[in-house]
Amino acid sequence: DAGITQSPRHKVTETGTPVTLRCHQTENHRYMYWYRQDPGHGLRLIHYSYGVKDTDKGEVSDGYSVSRSKTEDFLLTLESATSSQTSVYFCAISDRGETDTQYFGPGTRLTVL
Amino acid sequence: EDQVTQSPEALRLQEGESSSLNCSYTVSGLRGLFWYRQDPGKGPEFLFTLYSAGEEKEKERLKATLTKKESFLHITAPKPEDSATYLCAVQAYSNSGYALNFGKGTSLLVTP
Repeated sequence: DAGITQSPRHKVTETGTPVTLRCHQTENHRYMYWYRQDPGHGLRLIHYSYGVKDTDKGEVSDGYSVSRSKTEDFLLTLESATSSQTSVYFCAISDRGETDTQYFGPGTRLTVL
Repeated sequence: EDQVTQSPEALRLQEGESSSLNCSYTVSGLRGLFWYRQDPGKGPEFLFTLYSAGEEKEKERLKATLTKKESFLHITAPKPEDSATYLCAVQAYSNSGYALNFGKGTSLLVTP
């Protein structure tokens, strides 16, 4: 596996609570991505980062924010979790973001009750 | 709008029974087409990248091919350990941050 870890791996929370998911890489790759995976949908991009403090929105960014204060860490925050955000969240990294490969982390399963 | 459609949704094969998975796409300006394998409860694992029509890549029992409208993942003499979901994704020049647009996947089951 590429050096990507995600924490927590599983989380159950209640509607309206804030949640932060962490992605940590040891590859020193410039690009980092957050995707969500739901039954009946392909993986969908939430946010991505192209450098420290440089982030942008993806296809399904509403209700999510991100931060990247260090090359190795990319945080995804649900400010006020809703049941529609129950999903499996994957972090991916890419060294140049062009046609270079994206490598995925093991995922975080989030359940919002 | 970019679209990626994978077929069939599910495929059951006997061990040794070769077959192909299809990924059809519409994209304005293809940078690359990616194949991943995903096992239950795990993240996608990279298999291949194809960049231009006519390109082919192989890895063990898998061979990926690309045309201007679709890609095929050929599985030759599959084994039970090839059982997984296979994901296809395209990367377009217009994609923000070079993000990938994924299909919904093909779930492959290979029985002994």
